[in-house]
Parts: sequence; C-alpha cells; structure tokens
Amino acid sequence: SAVISQKPSRDICQRGTSLTIQCQVDSQVTMMFWYRQQPGQSLTLIATANQGSEATYESGFVIDKFPISRPNLTFSTLTVSNMSPEDSSIYLCSVGSGEKLFFGSGTQLSVL
Amino acid sequence: SQQGEEDPQALSIQEGENATMNCSYKTSINNLQWYRQNSGRGLVHLILIRSNEREKHSGRLRVTLDTSKKSSSLLITASRAADTASYFCAAHAGGTSYGKLTFGQGTILTVHP
Repeated sequence: SAVISQKPSRDICQRGTSLTIQCQVDSQVTMMFWYRQQPGQSLTLIATANQGSEATYESGFVIDKFPISRPNLTFSTLTVSNMSPEDSSIYLCSVGSGEKLFFGSGTQLSVL
Repeated sequence: SQQGEEDPQALSIQEGENATMNCSYKTSINNLQWYRQNSGRGLVHLILIRSNEREKHSGRLRVTLDTSKKSSSLLITASRAADTASYFCAAHAGGTSYGKLTFGQGTILTVHP
C-alpha cells in the first residue's frame, strides 16, 4: 500500500484565482493520477502525471486549465487555474499498486 | 459514455442486516473494483474481481461479476454502523492504463445502530 499526503485539505477561493494542490507519496511511483469529484457526483480522471514527461489529459480537460507538475517520483502538483464556481469539487490524487488505486484524502475546493 | 451505473442510489438498513449494491457497465473490462468513501474524502479500495472470475470474498464482503450481463454486485453481510459510507464501483476497461478507472455514481449506505 502507499501513504499519500495531499494538501490543502480544503480551501475557499475567489473566482479568477488559481490554486495549487500538492500530493506527496511515501514511495517512488511511475504514474500518479488526478481525479475530480463534483458535488454529489462520481470521480472523473483528469490526467495521468508521468515523471519526466508531459501529463496525459483525458477528454474534456486541458493543460491550460489544469497544469500538472511531476518533478520527481514521489511528488506532483495540480493547479486549478482561473477558477469559476463550476470548479468547486473534491480533487484527489492517487497512485496504483498492482491493479488497485490508493487515494489521498482529497482537497475540497469551493469557488465563490 | 458512463460506465458503472449503480443502484440503489441510497440504502438505509439496520445494524446486522445485509446490504446489497449493484453496478452495471457498458464495455468490456479487465476488472471491476469496489471502493468506499467516508464523508466525501479519499477512497479506500475494498475488493477487485477480474473479468474471468465470477465471485470473490473478503471478510464480510462478497462481490459477484456477470460479464454476460455486464453487471456486478457487492454484498456486505452483518452490517455495522461503521459501514456507513458511499460505495463506488469502478471499471477498468480493456486496453486502458491501470490508473484509468471509470467510476459509478455510487450508493450511499446508512447503517442505523
């Protein structure tokens, strides 16, 4: 299993600003995954962060809106840029172990 | 298209009763997984069943998979108040990265003491 530390745990932000979410894993992993969970909804994969290369984004998500960094094998950041109220969600990072995913505790973002 | 449609959306039972949640998916899968989420926070992996398996057990959990019907069910036996949470199925489709899971809408389970 992996221990994943994610911060901040929650934030309230103003429209038009940006927030960077950090994710630290206690072991080296090749891929890290960022998911979004909109209020009362399920989880949707935003992108896969690979160390040493550009992140791979899923349909409907773009780098300008959700830039991702992956400077090493234990750390990644997701930035939510130029936020609007529609970005209010829980953002979760995850890593795989075998076929299972382990998740951080999530960042609950509210945009006013 | 949305995989992992779940029912019921909400389930309320008494402690000691069994809880059954169902999940349907649309395309071929490598495996189907169930996760639990407490209070809208991080998810915890519960159990995984591969496409060539029909039933799997883990403690009080029993999961079944019917690939002909593209459906799965999760049974929690002898439920406890601590089982109160949201439960999500997640499908890993063939030919995709292992980290790309398609999650269902979830079932909110409430177990009353």
